[in-house]
Amino acid sequence: QQQVKQSPQSLIVQKGGISIINCAYENTAFDYFPWYQQFPGKGPALLIAIRPDVSEKKEGRFTISFNKSAKQFSLHIMDSQPGDSATYFCAAILNSGNTPLVFGKGTRLSVIA
Amino acid sequence: KAGVTQTPRYLIKTRGQQVTLSCSPISGHRSVSWYQQTPGQGLQFLFEYFSETQRNKGNFPGRFSGRQFSNSRSEMNVSTLELGDSALYLCASSLLEGPIQYFGAGTRLSVL
Repeated sequence: QQQVKQSPQSLIVQKGGISIINCAYENTAFDYFPWYQQFPGKGPALLIAIRPDVSEKKEGRFTISFNKSAKQFSLHIMDSQPGDSATYFCAAILNSGNTPLVFGKGTRLSVIA
Repeated sequence: KAGVTQTPRYLIKTRGQQVTLSCSPISGHRSVSWYQQTPGQGLQFLFEYFSETQRNKGNFPGRFSGRQFSNSRSEMNVSTLELGDSALYLCASSLLEGPIQYFGAGTRLSVL
């Protein structure tokens, strides 16, 4: 049973455009939602995260939008750059950290000039 | 502060062999988790160790095992390798409390 569903699988965006990746979760016990960025040959790196008591969190060009009632959250990358080309994973976990991260299947983002 | 270190970075084995992968967590981190990453299944949780004890376990066969040492370093072992075990194996460490996990670069295992 896939507990976190991520879409799209791949995304091509023009330089300067907005990249949007969506995730939906099933377990309402989850209370911490991180996004990880992975470049080829590297491990996933924490990009930005949100807790369900806020509806939006922004860090630079990266914004998470969170809809608790719909059990959905999304990553927006503003002014997308070729250097943003990577695979992005959404995830969910209990805030206590006593359970494992549950990942979406990933979105391969390509930003073209 | 040094990040999570995984060795070796690449391994080639043949079916039926066994393999041991190593992970050194960030200094001060006491929890170590292991994940398997494949193109088809994505990132799947294997197990987590805290204070030398397995605290959580994913849905993998008993051929996959791990351990943690008193210095928090961890190893995972896969016995009787199968072609389907070819994957990137990632180790992540975290502090005692809290959800933030930091990943190593992984060990790329190829089973021929």
